[in-house]
Amino acid sequence: DTAVSQTPKYLVTQMGNDKSIKCEQNLGHDTMYWYKQDSKKFLKIMFSYNNKELIINETVPNRFSPKSPDKAHLNLHINSLELGDSAVYFCASSQGAPQLFFGEGSRLTVL
Amino acid sequence: GDSVTQMEGPVTLSEEAFLTINCTYTATGYPSLFWYVQYPGEGLQLLLKATKADDKGSNKGFEATYRKETTSFHLEKGSVQVSDSAVYFCALSVGTSYDKVIFGPGTSLSVIP
Repeated sequence: DTAVSQTPKYLVTQMGNDKSIKCEQNLGHDTMYWYKQDSKKFLKIMFSYNNKELIINETVPNRFSPKSPDKAHLNLHINSLELGDSAVYFCASSQGAPQLFFGEGSRLTVL
Repeated sequence: GDSVTQMEGPVTLSEEAFLTINCTYTATGYPSLFWYVQYPGEGLQLLLKATKADDKGSNKGFEATYRKETTSFHLEKGSVQVSDSAVYFCALSVGTSYDKVIFGPGTSLSVIP
């Protein structure tokens, strides 16, 4: 059983489109995150939710909208995709301790 | 603000060579320190951690010691294997704010037979 799973794993789309990435964790954790990893492997936190409530919202364009229907799920919707949005997006979770559990990543390519 | 700096890669070593990846940090409080590893095509996974000064984290032959006086957390392994080829990330979290982990830029390691 995969602890943190993301879908889709690969996403190729045109500029201007809207797309979503889904994340689910079966670890029973209260906190979930979205991280963006650029082509140089640099990781930057985008959002964090704790028990469905937004607790971290870094400087991210408002075209990015997270949604947490319950504490096991955190989805990321991106409107009006731009070339610069091409990256690998990682979902992660944690529970009261500073250790993150990551999904395998979703590689988004915007053409 | 809080930040993590790592030695630039890529690092290429022969099998059984000694590995050091340098990591230094800047933090306003007393951070917990971590090394995460990302194997090709996978997500990050925790390799080791240390939560207070002079603690040594170790796992899979890797070690790192939390040095408060030099604000460092260098990763070492005595004899690397081809299977250690990956990207290594140093990271910190500060105080009780476990919800924000700050990562360094990552160091890519390639081990050749």
